[in-house]
Amino acid sequence: DARVTQTPRDKVTEMGQEVTMRCQPILGHNTVFWYRQTMMQGLELLAYFRNRAPLDDSGMPKDRFSAEMPDATLATLKIQPSEPRDSAVYFCASGLGSTSASSYNEQFFGPGTRLTVL
Amino acid sequence: DAKTTQPPSMDCAEGRAANLPCNHSTISGNEYVYWYRQIHSQGPQYIIHGLKNNETNEMASLIITEDRKSSTLILPHATLRDTAVYYCLRIIPNAGGTSYGKLTFGQGTILTVHP
Repeated sequence: DARVTQTPRDKVTEMGQEVTMRCQPILGHNTVFWYRQTMMQGLELLAYFRNRAPLDDSGMPKDRFSAEMPDATLATLKIQPSEPRDSAVYFCASGLGSTSASSYNEQFFGPGTRLTVL
Repeated sequence: DAKTTQPPSMDCAEGRAANLPCNHSTISGNEYVYWYRQIHSQGPQYIIHGLKNNETNEMASLIITEDRKSSTLILPHATLRDTAVYYCLRIIPNAGGTSYGKLTFGQGTILTVHP
Protein backbone atom coordinates (compact mmCIF):
# COMPACT_ATOMS: atom_id res chain seq x y z
CA ASP A 1 0.00 0.00 0.00
CA ALA A 2 1.96 2.98 -1.29
CA ARG A 3 1.74 6.13 0.78
CA VAL A 4 3.50 9.39 1.45
CA THR A 5 5.52 9.40 4.64
CA GLN A 6 6.58 12.40 6.67
CA THR A 7 9.01 12.79 9.55
CA PRO A 8 8.92 13.86 12.26
CA ARG A 9 5.20 13.60 13.04
CA ASP A 10 5.51 16.10 15.86
CA LYS A 11 8.16 18.70 16.53
CA VAL A 12 8.40 21.15 19.42
CA THR A 13 11.21 23.65 19.23
CA GLU A 14 12.20 27.05 20.53
CA MET A 15 12.15 30.24 18.59
CA GLY A 16 15.31 30.75 16.57
CA GLN A 17 16.06 27.07 16.11
CA GLU A 18 16.36 25.39 12.73
CA VAL A 19 13.63 22.94 11.80
CA THR A 20 13.84 20.36 9.02
CA MET A 21 10.82 18.38 7.88
CA ARG A 22 11.17 15.42 5.54
CA CYS A 23 8.87 13.78 3.07
CA GLN A 24 9.14 10.58 1.09
CA PRO A 25 6.80 10.75 -1.91
CA ILE A 26 5.17 7.70 -3.44
CA LEU A 27 7.61 5.89 -5.69
CA GLY A 28 7.09 6.95 -9.29
CA HIS A 29 5.37 10.22 -8.51
CA ASN A 30 7.11 13.15 -10.16
CA THR A 31 5.38 16.06 -8.44
CA VAL A 32 5.73 16.97 -4.77
CA PHE A 33 3.79 19.64 -2.92
CA TRP A 34 4.29 21.28 0.48
CA TYR A 35 1.25 22.73 2.27
CA ARG A 36 0.83 24.46 5.61
CA GLN A 37 -2.38 24.36 7.61
CA THR A 38 -3.40 26.70 10.41
CA MET A 39 -6.75 27.46 11.93
CA MET A 40 -6.66 31.02 10.67
CA GLN A 41 -5.41 30.47 7.11
CA GLY A 42 -6.54 26.95 6.34
CA LEU A 43 -4.51 24.92 3.86
CA GLU A 44 -1.95 26.98 1.97
CA LEU A 45 0.35 25.80 -0.79
CA LEU A 46 3.93 26.72 0.03
CA ALA A 47 5.89 25.21 -2.84
CA TYR A 48 5.92 22.40 -5.35
CA PHE A 49 8.41 20.47 -7.41
CA ARG A 50 8.21 18.54 -10.64
CA ASN A 51 10.94 16.05 -11.45
CA ARG A 52 12.84 17.51 -8.49
CA ALA A 53 12.90 21.01 -9.96
CA PRO A 54 11.13 23.77 -8.03
CA LEU A 55 8.19 25.09 -10.03
CA ASP A 56 6.58 27.54 -7.70
CA ASP A 57 7.54 28.65 -4.22
CA SER A 58 5.62 31.90 -4.19
CA GLY A 59 3.62 30.79 -1.17
CA MET A 60 6.70 30.43 0.96
CA PRO A 61 8.39 33.14 3.08
CA LYS A 62 11.73 33.31 1.28
CA ASP A 63 13.78 34.76 4.06
CA ARG A 64 13.44 31.81 6.40
CA PHE A 65 11.93 28.90 4.46
CA SER A 66 13.65 26.70 1.92
CA ALA A 67 12.46 23.60 0.10
CA GLU A 68 14.59 21.09 -1.76
CA MET A 69 14.50 17.66 -3.34
CA PRO A 70 17.96 16.13 -2.96
CA ASP A 71 16.74 13.06 -4.79
CA ALA A 72 13.52 11.56 -6.10
CA THR A 73 12.78 9.83 -2.80
CA LEU A 74 13.24 12.78 -0.46
CA ALA A 75 11.81 16.27 -0.18
CA THR A 76 12.78 18.61 2.63
CA LEU A 77 11.28 21.79 4.04
CA LYS A 78 13.56 23.82 6.25
CA ILE A 79 12.82 26.80 8.47
CA GLN A 80 15.72 28.83 9.78
CA PRO A 81 15.26 30.60 12.12
CA SER A 82 11.86 29.38 13.28
CA GLU A 83 9.31 31.73 14.81
CA PRO A 84 6.15 31.12 16.86
CA ARG A 85 3.99 32.13 13.86
CA ASP A 86 5.39 29.12 11.98
CA SER A 87 3.48 26.81 14.30
CA ALA A 88 1.22 24.77 12.03
CA VAL A 89 0.72 21.36 10.49
CA TYR A 90 2.87 20.90 7.41
CA PHE A 91 1.66 18.45 4.80
CA CYS A 92 3.53 16.93 1.93
CA ALA A 93 1.68 15.49 -1.05
CA SER A 94 2.79 13.74 -4.21
CA GLY A 95 1.22 13.00 -7.55
CA LEU A 96 1.84 12.24 -11.19
CA GLY A 97 1.45 15.92 -12.01
CA SER A 98 -0.16 15.91 -15.42
CA THR A 99 0.66 19.12 -17.23
CA SER A 100 -2.90 19.87 -18.18
CA ALA A 101 -5.75 21.02 -15.98
CA SER A 102 -7.99 18.89 -18.13
CA SER A 103 -6.19 15.71 -17.17
CA TYR A 104 -6.72 13.62 -14.11
CA ASN A 105 -4.54 14.70 -11.22
CA GLU A 106 -4.82 13.11 -7.82
CA GLN A 107 -2.63 14.17 -4.95
CA PHE A 108 -1.76 11.80 -2.16
CA PHE A 109 -1.17 13.48 1.16
CA GLY A 110 1.08 12.43 3.98
CA PRO A 111 0.03 12.44 7.64
CA GLY A 112 1.64 15.81 8.29
CA THR A 113 4.22 17.22 10.69
CA ARG A 114 2.79 19.18 13.60
CA LEU A 115 5.24 21.96 14.38
CA THR A 116 5.11 23.98 17.58
CA VAL A 117 7.55 26.86 17.98
CA LEU A 118 7.70 28.21 21.53
CA ASP B 1 -8.83 32.68 -4.17
CA ALA B 2 -10.20 29.16 -4.32
CA LYS B 3 -12.66 30.06 -7.10
CA THR B 4 -15.25 27.71 -5.60
CA THR B 5 -17.97 28.49 -3.08
CA GLN B 6 -19.24 26.05 -0.47
CA PRO B 7 -21.49 26.38 2.58
CA PRO B 8 -19.39 26.52 5.75
CA SER B 9 -21.20 23.69 7.51
CA MET B 10 -23.84 21.01 7.10
CA ASP B 11 -25.42 18.34 9.24
CA CYS B 12 -26.61 14.91 8.26
CA ALA B 13 -28.21 12.02 10.09
CA GLU B 14 -26.37 8.72 10.05
CA GLY B 15 -27.62 6.45 7.30
CA ARG B 16 -29.03 9.30 5.28
CA ALA B 17 -27.61 10.77 2.10
CA ALA B 18 -25.36 13.77 2.51
CA ASN B 19 -25.55 16.23 -0.37
CA LEU B 20 -22.76 18.79 -0.41
CA PRO B 21 -23.10 21.63 -2.92
CA CYS B 22 -20.36 23.61 -4.62
CA ASN B 23 -20.52 26.62 -6.87
CA HIS B 24 -17.83 27.02 -9.52
CA SER B 25 -19.45 29.45 -11.90
CA THR B 26 -16.19 30.60 -13.49
CA ILE B 27 -14.93 27.15 -14.38
CA SER B 28 -13.64 26.80 -17.92
CA GLY B 29 -14.60 24.06 -20.31
CA ASN B 30 -11.62 21.80 -19.78
CA GLU B 31 -11.20 22.04 -16.02
CA TYR B 32 -12.04 19.15 -13.78
CA VAL B 33 -13.83 19.53 -10.46
CA TYR B 34 -12.18 17.63 -7.63
CA TRP B 35 -13.46 16.74 -4.20
CA TYR B 36 -11.22 15.99 -1.23
CA ARG B 37 -12.01 15.53 2.41
CA GLN B 38 -10.01 15.95 5.56
CA ILE B 39 -10.82 13.96 8.62
CA HIS B 40 -9.59 15.52 11.83
CA SER B 41 -5.80 15.47 12.20
CA GLN B 42 -5.24 13.64 8.93
CA GLY B 43 -4.04 14.74 5.52
CA PRO B 44 -6.66 15.49 2.88
CA GLN B 45 -7.96 12.48 0.98
CA TYR B 46 -9.11 12.36 -2.62
CA ILE B 47 -12.76 11.43 -3.10
CA ILE B 48 -13.79 11.90 -6.70
CA HIS B 49 -13.45 14.15 -9.71
CA GLY B 50 -15.47 14.93 -12.82
CA LEU B 51 -15.60 17.01 -15.96
CA LYS B 52 -19.07 16.94 -17.51
CA ASN B 53 -20.71 13.64 -16.77
CA ASN B 54 -21.92 12.43 -13.43
CA GLU B 55 -19.43 10.14 -11.72
CA THR B 56 -19.68 7.44 -9.09
CA ASN B 57 -17.08 5.45 -7.22
CA GLU B 58 -17.00 3.40 -4.05
CA MET B 59 -16.93 6.50 -1.89
CA ALA B 60 -19.38 8.93 -3.44
CA SER B 61 -21.26 10.25 -6.43
CA LEU B 62 -20.66 13.54 -8.17
CA ILE B 63 -23.44 15.35 -9.97
CA ILE B 64 -22.36 18.20 -12.26
CA THR B 65 -24.93 20.55 -13.71
CA GLU B 66 -25.19 20.77 -17.47
CA ASP B 67 -23.76 24.30 -17.52
CA ARG B 68 -20.94 23.08 -15.21
CA LYS B 69 -21.39 26.06 -12.90
CA SER B 70 -22.08 23.91 -9.88
CA SER B 71 -21.82 20.38 -8.59
CA THR B 72 -23.04 18.23 -5.71
CA LEU B 73 -21.12 15.56 -3.88
CA ILE B 74 -23.37 12.81 -2.61
CA LEU B 75 -22.47 10.40 0.17
CA PRO B 76 -25.34 7.94 -0.24
CA HIS B 77 -25.38 6.50 3.28
CA ALA B 78 -23.43 8.76 5.60
CA THR B 79 -21.70 7.22 8.61
CA LEU B 80 -20.15 8.83 11.65
CA ARG B 81 -16.75 8.30 10.05
CA ASP B 82 -17.75 10.62 7.22
CA THR B 83 -17.62 13.58 9.60
CA ALA B 84 -14.93 15.74 8.01
CA VAL B 85 -14.20 18.92 6.10
CA TYR B 86 -15.09 18.51 2.43
CA TYR B 87 -13.29 20.57 -0.17
CA CYS B 88 -14.48 21.28 -3.68
CA LEU B 89 -11.50 22.23 -5.82
CA ARG B 90 -10.42 23.25 -9.25
CA ILE B 91 -6.94 22.89 -10.63
CA ILE B 92 -6.10 26.38 -11.76
CA PRO B 93 -3.59 26.45 -14.62
CA ASN B 94 -0.56 28.68 -14.40
CA ALA B 95 -0.21 31.64 -16.74
CA GLY B 96 1.47 29.37 -19.25
CA GLY B 97 -1.43 26.96 -19.21
CA THR B 98 0.23 24.18 -17.24
CA SER B 99 -0.85 23.18 -13.79
CA TYR B 100 0.88 20.03 -12.61
CA GLY B 101 -2.08 19.39 -10.35
CA LYS B 102 -1.68 22.40 -8.10
CA LEU B 103 -4.64 22.59 -5.72
CA THR B 104 -5.95 25.74 -4.08
CA PHE B 105 -7.98 24.97 -1.00
CA GLY B 106 -10.83 27.13 0.27
CA GLN B 107 -12.50 26.79 3.64
CA GLY B 108 -14.58 23.78 2.63
CA THR B 109 -17.76 22.48 4.22
CA ILE B 110 -17.66 20.97 7.68
CA LEU B 111 -19.98 17.97 7.49
CA THR B 112 -21.15 16.61 10.82
CA VAL B 113 -22.90 13.25 10.77
CA HIS B 114 -25.14 12.70 13.78
CA PRO B 115 -26.21 9.34 15.25
